[in-house]
Amino acid sequence: AQSVTQLDSQVPVFEEAPVELRCNYSSSVSVYLFWYVQYPNQGLQLLLKYLSGSTLVKGINGFEAEFNKSQTSFHLRKPSVHISDTAEYFCAGLSWGSFNKFYFGSGTKLNVKP
Amino acid sequence: SAVISQKPSRDICQRGTSLTIQCQVDSQVTMMFWYRQQPGQSLTLIATANQGSEATYESGFVIDKFPISRPNLTFSTLTVSNLSPEDSSIYLCSVRIVYEQYFGPGTRLTVT
Repeated sequence: AQSVTQLDSQVPVFEEAPVELRCNYSSSVSVYLFWYVQYPNQGLQLLLKYLSGSTLVKGINGFEAEFNKSQTSFHLRKPSVHISDTAEYFCAGLSWGSFNKFYFGSGTKLNVKP
Repeated sequence: SAVISQKPSRDICQRGTSLTIQCQVDSQVTMMFWYRQQPGQSLTLIATANQGSEATYESGFVIDKFPISRPNLTFSTLTVSNLSPEDSSIYLCSVRIVYEQYFGPGTRLTVT
C-alpha cells in the first residue's frame, strides 16, 4: 500500500537556525510528492512539489526539498527559519494507479523560538 | 490554480442536529474531495465527489452520515448528519487540477 511517513511530530528550532523536516514514502508505482503548510486556523497551502526532473525542488518562503529515490525520502529544508514559519507541515504523495489518491503524512509541527 | 471558499467558516451545533457545508470554486473542476481533520490530526479523506456521478466514500464513512451533493463543476455541499461530539473537526473541501490539490480554508465544527 502507498503511504507517507513523517518521522517527527514536533520540531522546535531557534530563529535563524536551519531546519529539516523528514518525510519518507512507500510506493511501488510512480509517485508525485508534495509539501503543504498549514498556519494556525487556516487551510493548507502548497509549499512545493516534485513531479519529475531535478531532484532538488524549490518552493515558496525559502523552502526546498530533495527527492531521493534510493532512500524513498522527500525531506523539507530551510537554511534559516523565521518566527513566521511556525506552522504545521504535511508531506503528501499522489500515486497514479487504480486508487489515484492523495496520501498525507501525520504532520510535523514546526515551532520557531526567538 | 484554484481559489476555494467555504461556508460557514465555523459553527457550533447541538448534538443530534445536522450541518451543511458549502464549497465554491472559482473555476470548473472535475475532481472534488472532502476531508476531515480532527484536532491535532492529519487529513482523512471522507469522499470523492465528481460531477455527474455519485460520491465515492472511503472506508469508515457512509452516505447516510455524510451526504454530498455536486450539482455542477464549481460547487459542492457536505452535510454532517446526526451530530455527536466526535464529529467536532475541521472539514476541508479540496479540488485537484492535474497533479496539484488545492484546499479551502476549512469549516471548524464544534458539537456540544
